[in-house]
Amino acid sequence: NAGVTQTPKFRVLKTGQSMTLLCAQDMNHEYMYWYRQDPGMGLRLIHYSVGEGTTAKGEVPDGYNVSRLKKQNFLLGLESAAPSQTSVYFCASGGTASNQPQHFGDGTRLSIL
Amino acid sequence: GNSVTQMEGPVTLSEEAFLTINCTYTATGYPSLFWYVQYPGEGLQLLLKATKADDKGSNKGFEATYRKETTSFHLEKGSVQVSDSAVYFCALSANNFNKFYFGSGTKLNVKP
Repeated sequence: NAGVTQTPKFRVLKTGQSMTLLCAQDMNHEYMYWYRQDPGMGLRLIHYSVGEGTTAKGEVPDGYNVSRLKKQNFLLGLESAAPSQTSVYFCASGGTASNQPQHFGDGTRLSIL
Repeated sequence: GNSVTQMEGPVTLSEEAFLTINCTYTATGYPSLFWYVQYPGEGLQLLLKATKADDKGSNKGFEATYRKETTSFHLEKGSVQVSDSAVYFCALSANNFNKFYFGSGTKLNVKP
């Protein structure tokens, strides 16, 4: 049971570099989400998708872009990394009913120098 | 709007002590409520949930009751173990595309 898989697990970037975080789920979920986790702030929603080909902004979308070309994959991009984007990034997926839980990957730990 | 407030941590307890982690929420409509647990270096795992008022969620000795009158969903366990040391997150699910709103997390340390 893979569930939600995130790659890479760790990455160090220099300011101004770009990268893409990958998320894959094998549960046939319609909804997928990207969060960032910072100390003392819980999880904050960056972007989300309610189906293949759709994306929407969450609470903290600035500096990030996303794409959902296939139902099982949700990509998070940083076009020009900044030190303020140093964080742990979590991907989650879930069903369409509001009483269903979200299922999380193990996270990507990203440091921007 | 929607929001979740959790008690500040860390919470430090001795093994076999009683645990309560407070959680209160503000929501429009009728949210579902969840507790997640995060062990070091891992993602969030669902611990329990409740989907309507007066429901009690339970799992692995943990319990929480959905109290609409006090807008609360406090997490309790009668006897904690060292292995329960983790960060606990309270969350609510809004009706809008099942977006979740998380509390800031409460770190629990259990000493032998």
